[in-house]
Amino acid sequence: DAGVTQSPTHLIKTRGQQVTLRCSPKSGHDTVSWYQQALGQGPQFIFQYYEEEERQRGNFPDRFSGHQFPNYSSELNVNALLLGDSALYLCASESLRGARTEAFFGQGTRLTVV
Amino acid sequence: QKEVEQDPGPLSVPEGAIVSLNCTYSNSAFQYFMWYRQYSRKGPELLMYTYSSGNKEDGRFTAQVDKSSKYISLFIRDSQPSDSATYLCAMNLSGGSNYKLTFGKGTLLTVNP
Repeated sequence: DAGVTQSPTHLIKTRGQQVTLRCSPKSGHDTVSWYQQALGQGPQFIFQYYEEEERQRGNFPDRFSGHQFPNYSSELNVNALLLGDSALYLCASESLRGARTEAFFGQGTRLTVV
Repeated sequence: QKEVEQDPGPLSVPEGAIVSLNCTYSNSAFQYFMWYRQYSRKGPELLMYTYSSGNKEDGRFTAQVDKSSKYISLFIRDSQPSDSATYLCAMNLSGGSNYKLTFGKGTLLTVNP
């Protein structure tokens, strides 16, 4: 079982650019959540996707958008990058069908905006 | 007031010590409580997962939840240098559409050989 996989591992972008991050959930999981973790802080919830729809959103601007594909993989898009968007972006997967499961995290994508 | 408060430390202990890590929270609706371990530049790894109040033990790790005090703890017995990491508490609601995890800031632990 490959677990939750994220790509790329590291990324450097310039202010104003757009970025797309990708996540493949753990086998058997149907739900993907995205979190932003700034240096020295705990992860902050961005949004969650289930059945290809955004089911819940945290306190992030519309510059942050996402998508879930039929195979349950997901993308996080950030437009008009700001220096403050520099962070570790984490993807977590779980299953919401049947018995409740805990969330498993990927290794993250470290985004640096310069 | 933040929903989840966690002392960021850093906490430094000698090998073999008992470590106590704690979080307090303000939302009485939280029902699921988790502890994650995060090594430097890695994603969080789930250590313990408990539902509602009580204790749960797994090897050297014990998680305690006291809902009346809105206080959760993680105890590590016989701590090892490999336990050196940031420990994050996390919690979420019991049902409906609110499955997001709310995290503390994390406590940085160093276990010295």
